[in-house]
Amino acid sequence: EAGVVQSPRYKIIEKKQPVALWCNPISGHNTLYWYLQNLGQGPELLIRYENEEAVDDSQLPKDRFSAERLKGVDSTLKIQPAELGDSAVYLCASSAGTAGRADTQYFGPGTRLTVL
Amino acid sequence: SQKIEQNSEALNIQEGKTATLTCNYTNYSPAYLQWYRQDPGRGPVFLLLIRENEKEKRKERLKVTFDTTLKQSLFHITASQPADSATYLCALQTGANNLFFGTGTRLTVIP
Repeated sequence: EAGVVQSPRYKIIEKKQPVALWCNPISGHNTLYWYLQNLGQGPELLIRYENEEAVDDSQLPKDRFSAERLKGVDSTLKIQPAELGDSAVYLCASSAGTAGRADTQYFGPGTRLTVL
Repeated sequence: SQKIEQNSEALNIQEGKTATLTCNYTNYSPAYLQWYRQDPGRGPVFLLLIRENEKEKRKERLKVTFDTTLKQSLFHITASQPADSATYLCALQTGANNLFFGTGTRLTVIP
């Protein structure tokens, strides 16, 4: 079974440019997460989807970040315009979990974004 | 404020010894506590989950304890091997299924 797929794996852009990161979750997983991970830190949740609905986007900086999960499968995270401080690894994860039940998340390899 | 602290940023141990990693938290009421392994350039990989009403969980050479009174989890790797070298992350799962991660402990097993 294929794991969580993310692309691109690496992206270098100049500040103020837009960037889009893509994630394909494990087949059948209804819940999808985007995390940000800075060097030496644990992942921090940006947004959580259940099917196509964003059920928790409280940590998403909405002035420049947006996300979508059309048809409840693939998801795209967009940053526009990018700032130097956005340089980080962006991780996507998926799970089959139901709220309140034990839930294992499966992570993709991440996209390492560098903003110059 | 809410905090999840893992005992040390880095831990070096000799091959064959038991590695013990600590996760302490404040101002959380997790339903579950999970441990993940992360290798350089990769996403975290799930290892073990323990429920709030469980004291201990084992899987092969791994053991996790969970003390909700102390607000602490211990993660043990027995008979450690160089292949166990990685960063280990603890994560608290709330009732809404969100995971809150600690900063991780980078374990190096020296042959």
